Amino acid sequence: QSVLTQPLSASGTPGQRVTISCSGSTSNIGSNFVYWYQQFPGTAPKLLIYRNTERPSGVPDRFSASKSGTSASLAISGLRAEDEADYFCAVFDDGHDNLSRRWMFGGGTRLTVL
Amino acid sequence: QMQLQESGPGLVKPSETLSLTCTVSGGSISLADVYWGWVRQAPGRGLEWIASIDYTGRKSSNPSLRSRVSISVVTSKNEFSLRLRSVTAADTSVYYCARHDDLHFMDVWGTGITVTVSS
Repeated sequence: QSVLTQPLSASGTPGQRVTISCSGSTSNIGSNFVYWYQQFPGTAPKLLIYRNTERPSGVPDRFSASKSGTSASLAISGLRAEDEADYFCAVFDDGHDNLSRRWMFGGGTRLTVL
Repeated sequence: QMQLQESGPGLVKPSETLSLTCTVSGGSISLADVYWGWVRQAPGRGLEWIASIDYTGRKSSNPSLRSRVSISVVTSKNEFSLRLRSVTAADTSVYYCARHDDLHFMDVWGTGITVTVSS
């Protein structure tokens, strides 16, 4: 069970704006950068957002993200049918000692375009 | 353009060792400040980071798997490998290798390899 909590599902109609949340704690989101990935069935994840808000080249500016305290969110504006996919947040968790530090992924959110 | 490709057996028996290799092409594995990692995804489930290593052999691993995981790198072959001991059905997953650094985290991924643990 992931300690990064994402809603299991989200949906919207074409053209709408949808947001996906990722809730963590002071040892992960509260202390480190958040990353977002998009994954289509049967394919590898693709980096959408790095360092909380930055987009790699080639990622449309319809995708944006923010972070506040121990939560982060991904926003998709001008929703398109091709955005239907799974979305994961990722962050490093500092743990309570050096041995418990690790990279973590959220459980994922399935986005449906209605 | 850098590409990563996983290889290894698709079927492993319970209690045996899962061994996978990731071959890096289109660039050197011997890059400063770059790590090479493994992530897995059980059927219908989320992503789980397993372990990462850099070209010098500096490594880190998920505490939940640490007692069973070994990760290694062979710079002359531009590849790195994962060994997971004493596997059970719960280790059945798609295993991905990926490049990561402090800026992008994991930005280049292999296509993934499905490993089933079954007798």
